[in-house]
Amino acid sequence: AQSVAQPEDQVNVAEGNPLTVKCTYSVSGNPYLFWYVQYPNRGLQFLLKYITGDNLVKGSYGFEAEFNKSQTSFHLKKPSALVSDSALYFCAVRDISNTGKLIFGQGTTLQVKP
Amino acid sequence: DVKVTQSSRYLVKRTGEKVFLECVQDMDHENMFWYRQDPGLGLRLIYFSYDVKMKEKGDIPEGYSVSREKKERFSLILESASTNQTSMYLCASTGRTLLYEQYFGPGTRLTVT
Repeated sequence: AQSVAQPEDQVNVAEGNPLTVKCTYSVSGNPYLFWYVQYPNRGLQFLLKYITGDNLVKGSYGFEAEFNKSQTSFHLKKPSALVSDSALYFCAVRDISNTGKLIFGQGTTLQVKP
Repeated sequence: DVKVTQSSRYLVKRTGEKVFLECVQDMDHENMFWYRQDPGLGLRLIYFSYDVKMKEKGDIPEGYSVSREKKERFSLILESASTNQTSMYLCASTGRTLLYEQYFGPGTRLTVT
């Protein structure tokens, strides 16, 4: 069965420090992977995706993610965190059924302290 | 810019009421989705539609139905609202090319009392 796991409910980091939000996946075939961010009382905003090609994907707001096939991971990273990055982050993988469905992780709350 | 709009940001309904949540997208997308979001559970797919008048059950369809009479509009219906349907409801759409990301609406926070 396909699945996505975000092992940390919350990640705390000081402003200016690098941040990592972890994601692992389980899917048969080649994975299509996505990261979304949700600010309080808002919908989800797309950050970046991995379809094929370079394992390091760059996205919006200075975020990037590294695809690692051997570890089945797709961790979200940013070199220098901002207080405004504090939000709920979701990792997702496209379902193999070709319907456009996404399977989401449970979400990780990122808290950036000044 | 893709725009997905939902009819209400906040909604309060009584147990047993019939509830309609409306979603409209302006990008001529074929695929539309309804999710519910609950703390610690992420997003769970209720129903989706890949064409007008076509619908498929997601992971948690019980207690819900949907309608897609026009390509741009996808409605979620709670036939008889119950307190365990209190949640945040999110609509999303994506084009036929499955490499594209899903675009989300702002969400409707539904409270059933």
